[in-house]
Amino acid sequence: EADIYQTPRYLVIGTGKKITLECSQTMGHDKMYWYQQDPGMELHLIHYSYGVNSTEKGDLSSESTVSRIRTEHFPLTLESARPSHTSQYLCASSDPGDARELFFGEGSRLTVL
Amino acid sequence: AQSVAQPEDQVNVAEGNPLTVKCTYSVSGNPYLFWYVQYPNRGLQFLLKYITGDNLVKGSYGFEAEFNKSQTSFHLKKPSALVSDSALYFCAVRDSSGSARQLTFGSGTQLTVLP
Repeated sequence: EADIYQTPRYLVIGTGKKITLECSQTMGHDKMYWYQQDPGMELHLIHYSYGVNSTEKGDLSSESTVSRIRTEHFPLTLESARPSHTSQYLCASSDPGDARELFFGEGSRLTVL
Repeated sequence: AQSVAQPEDQVNVAEGNPLTVKCTYSVSGNPYLFWYVQYPNRGLQFLLKYITGDNLVKGSYGFEAEFNKSQTSFHLKKPSALVSDSALYFCAVRDSSGSARQLTFGSGTQLTVLP
């Protein structure tokens, strides 16, 4: 079992609310990622980080923001949720190196009404 | 640019029969190839990877995959399917040349093993 945790697992919220999805890992991994998984189940990288104070945007444009103040913590924030943000959000981490596998959390399923 | 294709959205197989989930890739350098599995309402779990060396890679839960450079394929296989293997399977690729920043995932293949 991978030691990467996401909370909440499920969230139903109204339009305009601010939400933060938490992601923490205890493996000491430098690299962390956020993926958005759409209803067709495809995975889209929206944010990643190489380490503390490092954040980059991924391949899919997202209105969310991330921060990396501590190695183990990589929260994702939506300042004003909209129905189009309804999705499954998956956090992952890995050791440095191109050939390293990713360890995924269980996911946060967000529904915006 | 790197890309990966999973040509089958859905694969059905009877329990006890061999299964194959297909994956083809495109990279400019040499590929790093991965397979992940996702059970309902769960995150992805790493199954196996090919970096270099032996073309047949063995992974978790009895799965294996064969790297074929000439066909640019990395098909996932299992000799005898179990109902519990029913899940969503993702292939992923990373170009070893460093031209791509991160992994590229395929669109996923839903495997259903029928009792």
